[in-house]
Amino acid sequence: DQQVKQNSPSLSVQEGRISILNCDYTNSMFDYFLWYKKYPAEGPTFLISISSIKDKNEDGRFTVFLNKSAKHLSLHIVPSQPGDSAVYFCAANTGTASKLTFGTGTRLQVTL
Amino acid sequence: EAQVTQNPRYLITVTGKKLTVTCSQNMNHEYMSWYRQDPGLGLRQIYYSMNVEVTDKGDVPEGYKVSRKEKRNFPLILESPSPNQTSLYFCASSLTPGGGTGELFFGEGSRLTVL
Repeated sequence: DQQVKQNSPSLSVQEGRISILNCDYTNSMFDYFLWYKKYPAEGPTFLISISSIKDKNEDGRFTVFLNKSAKHLSLHIVPSQPGDSAVYFCAANTGTASKLTFGTGTRLQVTL
Repeated sequence: EAQVTQNPRYLITVTGKKLTVTCSQNMNHEYMSWYRQDPGLGLRQIYYSMNVEVTDKGDVPEGYKVSRKEKRNFPLILESPSPNQTSLYFCASSLTPGGGTGELFFGEGSRLTVL
């Protein structure tokens, strides 16, 4: 059972435009959410996170929005740059859990 | 430089030939974990360790063993590899269990092919 879902395997966005990556979860016990970015031949790296007590967290060009009632979070990248082309994983945990539960990933391609 | 180091990065082996993927971190993290990445399935946890001599199963532990004799090292052992263990493997570490409210630091990955 996939508790964290990223329904879009891929997304293509033009440079300078907004990229919106979506993530849905089913476990209502999740209270902390993270986004990781992965380039080819490298390990995932932490990008941004949000606690369930917030509905928005911003870091430069990256903003994560959390809608707890809908069990949905999204990552906005504005403006998108070619260097943002990567696979993005959303992840969640319960704060005290022994693991992060990851989604299946969305491949973002930012075109010139 | 803070890092998680995995070896080997690439390996092709045959069914049944025991192999070990090493993982070492230099950040004095208590928590370490192994994940495998497969197309359409994302990252799934294999085993994790909360501290030295404390290990436990993740979501997909079958066919794998681990040990944590030292804080910095967390090797993944495939006693009798099978083709369904062909995958991309990542070791990760963090200060807090499971990444907690902090972040997981990942190694660069080990691509394993079992023929």
